[in-house]
Amino acid sequence: DGGITQSPKYLFRKEGQNVTLSCEQNLNHDAMYWYRQDPGQGLRLIYYSQIVNDFQKGDIAEGYSVSREKKESFPLTVTSAQKNPTAFYLCASSMQGTDTQYFGPGTRLTVL
Amino acid sequence: SQQGEEDPQALSIQEGENATMNCSYKTSINNLQWYRQNSGRGLVHLILIRSNEREKHSGRLRVTLDTSKKSSSLLITASRAADTASYFCATDAWWIYNQGGKLIFGQGTELSVKP
Repeated sequence: DGGITQSPKYLFRKEGQNVTLSCEQNLNHDAMYWYRQDPGQGLRLIYYSQIVNDFQKGDIAEGYSVSREKKESFPLTVTSAQKNPTAFYLCASSMQGTDTQYFGPGTRLTVL
Repeated sequence: SQQGEEDPQALSIQEGENATMNCSYKTSINNLQWYRQNSGRGLVHLILIRSNEREKHSGRLRVTLDTSKKSSSLLITASRAADTASYFCATDAWWIYNQGGKLIFGQGTELSVKP
């Protein structure tokens, strides 16, 4: 099955902890994206990567970090510097030169 | 920053009725897309309309685009309870970031179809 997977589905974090959200795709897409969604809101771009070993900040990158060591993988770390991390996080990918994005099922992060 | 503004924010209809959602945007675009999100799930791409197209159909979906008014509408005909979801418009961001791939999403319309 081709697709994009995220894990875990639910994640609980204590204040002051860093946590890493996984995103993997086997669609052979070059570009990958991380979004944050708050209740009743649209998606806000955190980071994106258009090629391995390169990534750029989106609109709300503060308190987050990413890596892109492999084409298939784009993990997101939510650091303790992120003031309000409780949200639904969505990963997406797209083919180079196209605008249609394919989304994973999301990870819901809750800070206790 | 959010470019798309969607209207209405919430819509409740009976099964069999048509549902119309609107999206307005601010800058020039190359294309506009509509996505659906079921509660607690990822987004699913529905349809893409290019800036030189005025109308596009896909099954029960009909999308229009008016670039002079910077607006688009999504019509779902003969709605079903399974259409209950949030619907988002998304525009490409070439004119803002001078690069492809990035999308700017609206805040969405929450559609409820009652059986």
